[in-house]
Amino acid sequence: GDSVTQMEGPVTLSEEACLTINCTYTATGYPSLFWYVQYPGEGLQLLLKATKADDKGSNKGFEATYRKETTSFHLEKGSVQVSDSAVYFCALTPNTGNQFYFGTGTSLTVIP
Amino acid sequence: DVKVTQSSRYLVKRTGEKVFLECVQDMDHENMFWYRQDPGLGLRLIYFSYDVKMKEKGDIPEGYSVSREKKERFSLILESASTNQTSMYLCASSERREKLFFGSGTQLSVL
Repeated sequence: GDSVTQMEGPVTLSEEACLTINCTYTATGYPSLFWYVQYPGEGLQLLLKATKADDKGSNKGFEATYRKETTSFHLEKGSVQVSDSAVYFCALTPNTGNQFYFGTGTSLTVIP
Repeated sequence: DVKVTQSSRYLVKRTGEKVFLECVQDMDHENMFWYRQDPGLGLRLIYFSYDVKMKEKGDIPEGYSVSREKKERFSLILESASTNQTSMYLCASSERREKLFFGSGTQLSVL
């Protein structure tokens, strides 16, 4: 069945360091791919998305590219800030049906 | 601004109690979802609904039921709460395969 596997955390980085959180997926056809972020004490909110192969989603300095050949959607940011400390979830929705499938989440802590 | 509202932020119940978690969305979305979030397990789908009075089981429906009598409201029911249902419960809504909008969550403790 459809599923998402993402890098386990927790991840701790110093401010201005580079971030990569790996995400791979299993799905038939062409799913839509998402990164959600959960700040402390809040629900999840959409960070970025990509709906077809080679699309790049971007928001708030974060980027992820939909790679069909490697079934991946890795999240990257060139210079993290303390305010980026949160839990990041990779997710997909298949091209049929309305369900969403989530990874287990990666906790990021950025220290000054 | 779009909104998904969950009725309680924190809830403490006793084993065996019947528990109702309420969720309301103001976006006229067709689809609504209930997830539970546990450390190390991520989000797991309990139930979802794609229309009024329609429901589908997710990955972990055991011990739960749902009700969707109106489009904007989706209720999660724990028929007889148990300690292993202590968790964060997240409600979400979406329009087809577009993005999910989440509520702030209900942290349920069953003692």
